[in-house]
Amino acid sequence: GAVVSQHPSRVICKSGTSVKIECRSLDFQATTMFWYRQFPKKSLMLMATSNEGSKATYEQGVEKDKFLINHASLTLSTLTVTSAHPEDSSFYICSARSGTGSSGYTFGSGTRLTVV
Amino acid sequence: QKEVEQDPGPLSVPEGAIVSLNCTYSNSAFQYFMWYRQYSRKGPELLMYTYSSGNKEDGRFTAQVDKSSKYISLFIRDSQPSDSATYLCAMSAEGAGSYQLTFGKGTKLSVIP
Repeated sequence: GAVVSQHPSRVICKSGTSVKIECRSLDFQATTMFWYRQFPKKSLMLMATSNEGSKATYEQGVEKDKFLINHASLTLSTLTVTSAHPEDSSFYICSARSGTGSSGYTFGSGTRLTVV
Repeated sequence: QKEVEQDPGPLSVPEGAIVSLNCTYSNSAFQYFMWYRQYSRKGPELLMYTYSSGNKEDGRFTAQVDKSSKYISLFIRDSQPSDSATYLCAMSAEGAGSYQLTFGKGTKLSVIP
């Protein structure tokens, strides 16, 4: 089946620094990838839709200058959390369209970001 | 009212029990309904996918959708400790080329041996 690899799985960074999270589709091409944020006991919240070769589409309330998304190839999207603050600590998950319809999403294994 | 409501639990059951997980929703445009299973510190994996109202069975898992009541359920028969995970419902209107998923909060399930 389709596999989405997300790296790193865990990262701890200092306040004010930037951290990059990678999302790769391993055995398929993904023109569209999605970035979610998940808080404990909360829904997965869609942050942005990453489109290969064009600008990402951000959801309302998500700061595009803080959460930089780059989708430079059909198999790689990156999310960079800039000038990280403790409130950015969360579980970030990427997803890619690996098939058609609503069931055609494959999720990465997530990245636990802790900002200290 | 949130678009999708799901009791976060936690839900604890003995091994072998029948588990019932539920979500309600308010958006009548939702036509596609999914259940994802998420193990701790992992991404969600698709468990069941249903279109419109009706039942779908896959092994020990049964998904039910009642669009008239805006209510979906996931039943797990003969629950196993390996079923311990968070179960997320997700829905999509899938109109105009949009397949954006709206998730519930997830219900954390523990199956006790």
